[in-house]
Amino acid sequence: GQNIDQPTEMTATEGAIVQINCTYQTSGFNGLFWYQQHAGEAPTFLSYNVLDGLEEKGRFSSFLSRSKGYSYLLLKELQMKDSASYLCAVRDNDYKLSFGAGTTVTVRA
Amino acid sequence: TAGITQAPTSQILAAGRSMTLRCTQDMRHNAMYWYRQDLGLGLRLIHYSNTAGTTGKGEVPDGYSVSRANTDDFPLTLASAVPSQTSVYFCASSDSEDGANVLTFGAGSRLTVL
Repeated sequence: GQNIDQPTEMTATEGAIVQINCTYQTSGFNGLFWYQQHAGEAPTFLSYNVLDGLEEKGRFSSFLSRSKGYSYLLLKELQMKDSASYLCAVRDNDYKLSFGAGTTVTVRA
Repeated sequence: TAGITQAPTSQILAAGRSMTLRCTQDMRHNAMYWYRQDLGLGLRLIHYSNTAGTTGKGEVPDGYSVSRANTDDFPLTLASAVPSQTSVYFCASSDSEDGANVLTFGAGSRLTVL
């Protein structure tokens, strides 16, 4: 099975940077995903890491260390619209995704 | 682009009644999934289907059944609903031939069992 941990809540100021950590213990690993979910909406794909290192996509970056079972999502130049839940998910060798409980990020003016 | 369509959007159901949540995708994705999302627990996989004609059990399959008669449709049935099945249900699909196999989610179905 999968055990995926991430903080429950984080608060940051508009224009700042926030880093959301995710640690995992899995019976198989075939990629790590980050999804964004606004309240009352469906999750949407943000990033995917399968090799160690940093993947950058505009204001969002995601990092993976497979040996440490660790990932983070970095949100730069925070905007009010970034207030949402951020879900860390690990894919196993059968291509099934298991999700963490999510981190609710609140951006304040 | 429609993507994934789920119905109903919201439903209140009496305990003991049966209910089918519908899910249709128009992306010709081979894999489809049903998740439930509960506060503090995140998304949990109920059932999945890697291709039409096959299904598999996820993390929390008890009390639910699925079928995959064709590529586009993946209905989820609750044979005899119980209050613990009150949740938001998300259907998702992916193309397993795409290396990242990214999931695309439907808008969700909110089910309340009384």
